[in-house]
Amino acid sequence: GESVGLHLPTLSVQEGDNSIINCAYSNSASDYFIWYKQESGKGPQFIIDIRSNMDKRQGQRVTVLLNKTVKHLSLQIAATQPGDSAVYFCAENGNTGNQFYFGTGTSLTVIP
Amino acid sequence: KAGVTQTPRYLIKTRGQQVTLSCSPISGHRSVSWYQQTPGQGLQFLFEYFSETQRNKGNFPGRFSGRQFSNSRSEMNVSTLELGDSALYLCASSPGQGRIAYNEQFFGPGTRLTVL
Repeated sequence: GESVGLHLPTLSVQEGDNSIINCAYSNSASDYFIWYKQESGKGPQFIIDIRSNMDKRQGQRVTVLLNKTVKHLSLQIAATQPGDSAVYFCAENGNTGNQFYFGTGTSLTVIP
Repeated sequence: KAGVTQTPRYLIKTRGQQVTLSCSPISGHRSVSWYQQTPGQGLQFLFEYFSETQRNKGNFPGRFSGRQFSNSRSEMNVSTLELGDSALYLCASSPGQGRIAYNEQFFGPGTRLTVL
């Protein structure tokens, strides 16, 4: 089956610092990846996506990097704010259409 | 525009019982997907419905089933509950039509099911 894993289950950063959350995927056929943010008591929220024909994509304060050679995905959050505290997880489509495979998540805590 | 709503928010059942969870998508959205979220397995896809038809299905046993009504509201049912079914069940809606536009997919807050 698919395997989407995160290197660190928890991450603590100081407010204002940059955060980097990593994700490893196993299916080399995956061509679409998404990062989600999930706050306590809420459902996941789409943050940013990237297709396999790209190495980098930037959003508002977030950047996703894709390294297909080592099957690694990362999410960078610039100037991390207390409101960024949440669980972040990545997902890959495994080139199977509408079914996605999700990681278990990394809990980000921002220290004021 | 109202978001995705799920009822009930919390549910406690005992082994062997069955349960029905409800999801009302965002107005105008025709695709509803269901997910199971547990600490150990993370988020796992159950199934997706579009226009009252199951369009995609994940790798869950037949005890998990769903349906969608003509107003796009969806229900999922779990029969013969097991302890391992304790989880947060999330539904997500999207406009639908072709492949799911994940940047237009919105999740509800989930139903927390505890099986004793």
